[in-house]
Amino acid sequence: QKEVEQDPGPLSVPEGAIVSLNCTYSNSAFQYFMWYRQYSRKGPELLMYTYSSGNKEDGRFTAQVDKSSKYISLFIRDSQPSDSATYLCAMSRKNQGGKLIFGQGTELSVKP
Amino acid sequence: EAGVVQSPRYKIIEKKQPVAFWCNPISGHNTLYWYLQNLGQGPELLIRYENEEAVDDSQLPKDRFSAERLKGVDSTLKIQPAELGDSAVYLCASSLGLAAYNEQFFGPGTRLTVL
Repeated sequence: QKEVEQDPGPLSVPEGAIVSLNCTYSNSAFQYFMWYRQYSRKGPELLMYTYSSGNKEDGRFTAQVDKSSKYISLFIRDSQPSDSATYLCAMSRKNQGGKLIFGQGTELSVKP
Repeated sequence: EAGVVQSPRYKIIEKKQPVAFWCNPISGHNTLYWYLQNLGQGPELLIRYENEEAVDDSQLPKDRFSAERLKGVDSTLKIQPAELGDSAVYLCASSLGLAAYNEQFFGPGTRLTVL
C-alpha cells in the first residue's frame, strides 16, 4: 500500500463548477501538506501549503487537512478552463524536511 | 528571476547507452532535488543535496545511477547503462533550505525515452 493515495481520475467538469480533489494517507507523522498543479509538459508548481490540521483559503482555492481521518482536500470554486491540469497532493514529515511524498495525481479537465 | 533550468528537455537513446541530465537551480538555493516521474504517477525523490553534500540518496539505484553537485550549484544525474524501464521524466527542483516549509521550485524536466 502506498503512503499517499490519490484517485487518478480523469475528472471532467463544466466551467464554473466546484471541484473537489482529495488524498488519503497512512503515516500519522506527516505534518506538512501541499497541493501542486502540473500542466502538461511542465514541472509541478506549488498551489497551496498547510501545516498540520485546518483550512486555508487563497482566492478560488481552499485546502483542508483532517489529520484525525488522514484525509486532505483541495476545493476549486468557479472552475475555469485554465484550471485544467494534473493536481498532485504531497506531504512531508517534520524531521525529514524537503522529502516530499507525492500522490499519483488527479487529471482535471474543465470544459467551457 | 529565472527558474530552475534543465537540459536537455528531451532525450532518446538506445538501451545500454549512457545518458546525463543537467540542472541549474535558482540562484541562492542551497538545496537541490532530483525526482523521477513515471507516466501517470507523482514524482518520486531520487536524491537530495544540501550544497555539495548528498543528504539523502537512499532512493537512488546506485548500480546504474549516479549524481553529483560540484561547487554546490549545478548538478548532473547520470544513468549508465540505461534500461527500458528508465523511460520517464526526470525533474530537478531547488529550495532555499532543507526545512519542510521551504517551497520547492521545479524545472520543466527531461523526458527520457529508452528504445
